[in-house]
Amino acid sequence: EVQLVESGGGLVQPGGSLRLSCAASGFTVSTYWMHWVRQAPGEGLVWVSRINNDESGASYADSVRGRFTISRDNAKNTLYLQMNSLRAEDTAVYYCARGLGYASGAASWGQGTLVTVSS
Amino acid sequence: DIVMTQSPLSLPVSPGEPASISCRSSQSLLHSNGYKYLDWYLQKPGQSPRLLIYSGSNRAFGVPDRFSGSGSGTDFTLKISRVEAEDVGVYYCMQALQTPFTFGQGTRLEIK
Repeated sequence: EVQLVESGGGLVQPGGSLRLSCAASGFTVSTYWMHWVRQAPGEGLVWVSRINNDESGASYADSVRGRFTISRDNAKNTLYLQMNSLRAEDTAVYYCARGLGYASGAASWGQGTLVTVSS
Repeated sequence: DIVMTQSPLSLPVSPGEPASISCRSSQSLLHSNGYKYLDWYLQKPGQSPRLLIYSGSNRAFGVPDRFSGSGSGTDFTLKISRVEAEDVGVYYCMQALQTPFTFGQGTRLEIK
C-alpha cells in the first residue's frame, strides 16, 4: 500500500526556517516525480515544487524559488522541503504527493503538515 | 502560467441527481504524445485530496463509475451521474502539462 507521511511542520517566526519531511512506503521515491503542494487556511490548492525521478533537477513556483529547496534521500525513501526566509504568506498545510498528472493515474497524497509563520 | 478556470464554484445538488463541473484551461492540455494532462481531485472535509480522474477521462483505481471525465484540449467536464451524500467536498481540476502545475479555484459540492 502506498503511504506518504509528512512531518516537520510547526510555528516559526518570519524569516525563520523549517525542513519538512515526507516518508514514503509501498514504493520508491526515486522512481516517481515527487511534489509539494500547499493549502493556506480556507483556500485552494497551490503547487509548490517538483523533483524529477532522474537527475534532471527540480522546479519551483515563483513565490518560493530561491527560498525553498526540494530534495530526497533515496536510502531513507524520504522527500524533503527545506524552507528558508519564511513569510506569513507561507502559512499553509503542506502536502507531499506522488505522480501528479501521470498518465497511469499514480497520484497519491500524504495527510499534510501545518506550517504557521507568525511572530 | 496556464490558468485553470472552474465553474460553478458552488454546486448544491439533491441526492440522486446528476452534477457537472466545468474546467477550462488557458491553453491546450493535449500533449504531442496524445495524452491530456488534466486531473480531477476531490478533497472531502478534513481530508487530503484524492485522485478521481486522470488524463482527462480515466477513472482512478477504486473510484465509483458514477464519476466520469471528458473533454478536449481546453474544455473539460467532470460528471457525477447520481450524487450521493459521500460526494460532498471540493472538486479541483489540475493541469500537469507544464510547471508550475496549476489548479482550478475549486467547486464546492453540497447536498441540498
